[in-house]
Amino acid sequence: AQKITQTQPGMFVQEKEAVTLDCTYDTSDQSYGLFWYKQPSSGEMIFLIYQGSYDEQNATEGRYSLNFQKARKSANLVISASQLGDSAMYFCAMREGPAGRRALTFGSGTRLQVQP
Amino acid sequence: KAGVTQTPRYLIKTRGQQVTLSCSPISGHRSVSWYQQTPGQGLQFLFEYFSETQRNKGNFPGRFSGRQFSNSRSEMNVSTLELGDSALYLCASSPGQDLSSYNEQFFGPGTRLTVL
Repeated sequence: AQKITQTQPGMFVQEKEAVTLDCTYDTSDQSYGLFWYKQPSSGEMIFLIYQGSYDEQNATEGRYSLNFQKARKSANLVISASQLGDSAMYFCAMREGPAGRRALTFGSGTRLQVQP
Repeated sequence: KAGVTQTPRYLIKTRGQQVTLSCSPISGHRSVSWYQQTPGQGLQFLFEYFSETQRNKGNFPGRFSGRQFSNSRSEMNVSTLELGDSALYLCASSPGQDLSSYNEQFFGPGTRLTVL
């Protein structure tokens, strides 16, 4: 079974509008972390935001916020006021469990294109 | 603070050859993880090194190996290259010391390997 599912291969959004990128996850661990990364065409993975499984508040980082719904196992990324520079691939990732299990499991990604 | 550096950035090899990729983590970081990114399989975890010891390993054949030096720099080696090894190889560093699931990984720009 897929650990991380991103159902939107591609998304378009108008500049200055908000956009939500979907992510659902599957784990039996109580302790886990959810991450979102941005990958521009240059290839480098840029960390955007983190949500811990025990965090009660949704994470926010500037224009990025994470809509965390634990019961539904979803961790959607919301980008407010989209900019042309937001055009990139976006990956949702999860790290499960206790110390020693530190590998990130990535989803297949969503390609976001911001239109002027 | 300098980011994660990877050398070389681009590499072309032929089937059957071997290749060594290098990663220098952020100063003070002791954990280095390697990921393979291909269009077909997406981002997959290869292995993680911490204080010169392999701490975690993904599901890759023995042709893929790595090591870490006392200065935390890491190398990965792929022997007997196959066409399917063509990929972007990403290295990520983190402090690696904490025991929580949060452990932000900072990625390098990647090495793009083409096997002909």
